[in-house]
Amino acid sequence: DADVTQTPRNRITKTGKRIMLECSQTKGHDRMYWYRQDPGLGLRLIYYSFDVKDINKGEISDGYSVSRQAQAKFSLSLESAIPNQTALYFCATSDSTAHTGELFFGEGSRLTVL
Amino acid sequence: GQNIDQPTEMTATEGAIVQINCTYQTSGFNGLFWYQQHAGEAPTFLSYNVLDGLEEKGRFSSFLSRSKGYSYLLLKELQMKDSASYLCAVMDSNYQLIWGAGTKLIIKP
Repeated sequence: DADVTQTPRNRITKTGKRIMLECSQTKGHDRMYWYRQDPGLGLRLIYYSFDVKDINKGEISDGYSVSRQAQAKFSLSLESAIPNQTALYFCATSDSTAHTGELFFGEGSRLTVL
Repeated sequence: GQNIDQPTEMTATEGAIVQINCTYQTSGFNGLFWYQQHAGEAPTFLSYNVLDGLEEKGRFSSFLSRSKGYSYLLLKELQMKDSASYLCAVMDSNYQLIWGAGTKLIIKP
């Protein structure tokens, strides 16, 4: 089983619908992140959380919200999806005590907004 | 602004050596990362450099020059399974990762 699990893996929805992407991890890491990846662009940070009560906006947070329900769970919501939110979304974790701050990624959630 | 540049695509031959370059301009520097990403899969960590010089790990090596804002990833004895995108990322002064768009490496027999 994957250490960082994302659901759903694929989702097609319509403009205006509310969508939630979920992420859970068994690595025991305190830090969790949501990124989106678009062709020809680098990974872009949407939101990140360093602990259960800590939520921080990333580079492109507009149109998104997150919830850190527990140390192991971090969900991303699109309140009213629009076509330019069509992308591959990755959840990632890291250990604050680790020397390198290496990220561990989930398998990705491919979202298509029609 | 902050910027990471790396070539969009490279082609190499199985068994050969390839060098993927990365140049960066960031607000501060707290380390440079290389990740490998196979098509449709998650990025996986390859290397981390925070001091100048070469870090070797098996067939893969990563080099850093902080004064030049430059790094490269060197892949030796290329195998078909090395066909993937290679992502360069720099941690800035706020400990945020800035990512390059990635270099797609195509290995030919």
